[in-house]
Amino acid sequence: GQNIDQPTEMTATEGAIVQINCTYQTSGFNGLFWYQQHAGEAPTFLSYNVLDGLEEKGRFSSFLSRSKGYSYLLLKELQMKDSASYLCAVPNSNYQLIWGAGTKLIIKP
Amino acid sequence: IAGITQAPTSQILAAGRRMTLRCTQDMRHNAMYWYRQDLGLGLRLIHYSNTAGTTGKGEVPDGYSVSRANTDDFPLTLASAVPSQTSVYFCASSEKGSGANVLTFGAGSRLTVL
Repeated sequence: GQNIDQPTEMTATEGAIVQINCTYQTSGFNGLFWYQQHAGEAPTFLSYNVLDGLEEKGRFSSFLSRSKGYSYLLLKELQMKDSASYLCAVPNSNYQLIWGAGTKLIIKP
Repeated sequence: IAGITQAPTSQILAAGRRMTLRCTQDMRHNAMYWYRQDLGLGLRLIHYSNTAGTTGKGEVPDGYSVSRANTDDFPLTLASAVPSQTSVYFCASSEKGSGANVLTFGAGSRLTVL
């Protein structure tokens, strides 16, 4: 079966850096997605990693280690608008996404 | 604006009633999906459709049915609602029905079954 674990909640300070971790177990690997979801809104796509290493997109970066079943999302120069839930997801063998429960990120001034 | 439209935004429903959640996309995406999101749980796939005319069961299909008569529309029906179906329902679409694809989500439909 497949399983995804991420911390339930994290708190960080405006202007700082935060790393949100995701560990997964999967019978095959077809990449890993990160989505952002503001309270009461729809999830929106942030990143997709299929190869090991760090991919940077502006203030957000995503890292993948396939051998460790591990990914993280790195958010730099935190802004209040980054307060949201961050969802980790991996496709199963049928390419249907299996989702983690999400990490609620609280940004304090 | 291109995207996914869901209706209703919110609904309170008596147990035993029939309810259809509507979903329409204008991006000409091949695949569409229905998820439910409950507090403390990840998004769970109810049903999906890889292309018009085909549907498949997801992780939690019991009590729900879908149809995909055309590319744009993918309604979700609860034949006889029960309180455990109280949830936020998200419709999503992706360009392709095969491979790992980026999903575009609708704004969600909040359903309360009493």
